[in-house]
Amino acid sequence: AAGVIQSPRHLIKEKRETATLKCYPIPRHDTVYWYQQGPGQDPQFLISFYEKMQSDKGSIPDRFSAQQFSDYHSELNMSSLELGDSALYFCASSLVRSGQNNEQFFGPGTRLTVL
Amino acid sequence: AQSVAQPEDQVNVAEGNPLTVKCTYSVSGNPYLFWYVQYPNRGLQFLLKYITGDNLVKGSYGFEAEFNKSQTSFHLKKPSALVSDSALYFCAVRAGIYGGATNKLIFGTGTLLAVQP
Repeated sequence: AAGVIQSPRHLIKEKRETATLKCYPIPRHDTVYWYQQGPGQDPQFLISFYEKMQSDKGSIPDRFSAQQFSDYHSELNMSSLELGDSALYFCASSLVRSGQNNEQFFGPGTRLTVL
Repeated sequence: AQSVAQPEDQVNVAEGNPLTVKCTYSVSGNPYLFWYVQYPNRGLQFLLKYITGDNLVKGSYGFEAEFNKSQTSFHLKKPSALVSDSALYFCAVRAGIYGGATNKLIFGTGTLLAVQP
């Protein structure tokens, strides 16, 4: 079965640089979520999109932005990177329609290291 | 606000013995609870969920969880542990209300399960 695809799997950047993380949800899933997991931490919700519209926003810095495209893939754009942005970034997708509460399926993550 | 707590940072169990990983929740309204497992340098894998219905939920890899409303708990269990079960386990609760726009998951701090041969 197709899973959530994330690219790149690893990314190394310098401080103040920009990064773009990509996520390809499971086919026919209508919702994408982004989470950030710092070292030894639990995943923290950043932002989500339902049918290409932002549906919820968590603790996402103003330096970050995201969008979901017409083909349902999503990109997380991170600017002015800081050392503290080093983390594992997960994308998850689910099928959310009226009356359903389906689980979120997570991608393998992108490990971002900021030097 | 919705939250979950995992009181144990680590659980040690011998292979073949039953295991329990604890989770308690705090929600307003009906809870939607999940268990995920994370292997080193891997993504989160869904194990099981409780939405409504039977309090005993069966999931992947022989895991099950018991929803207890009076104790606000959702402990993860397995009758016989395997060394390959060693991983980081996260309990999570859906933040929003049923049918609402918010579906984000709020995770517990995770419990490291170590199964000794």
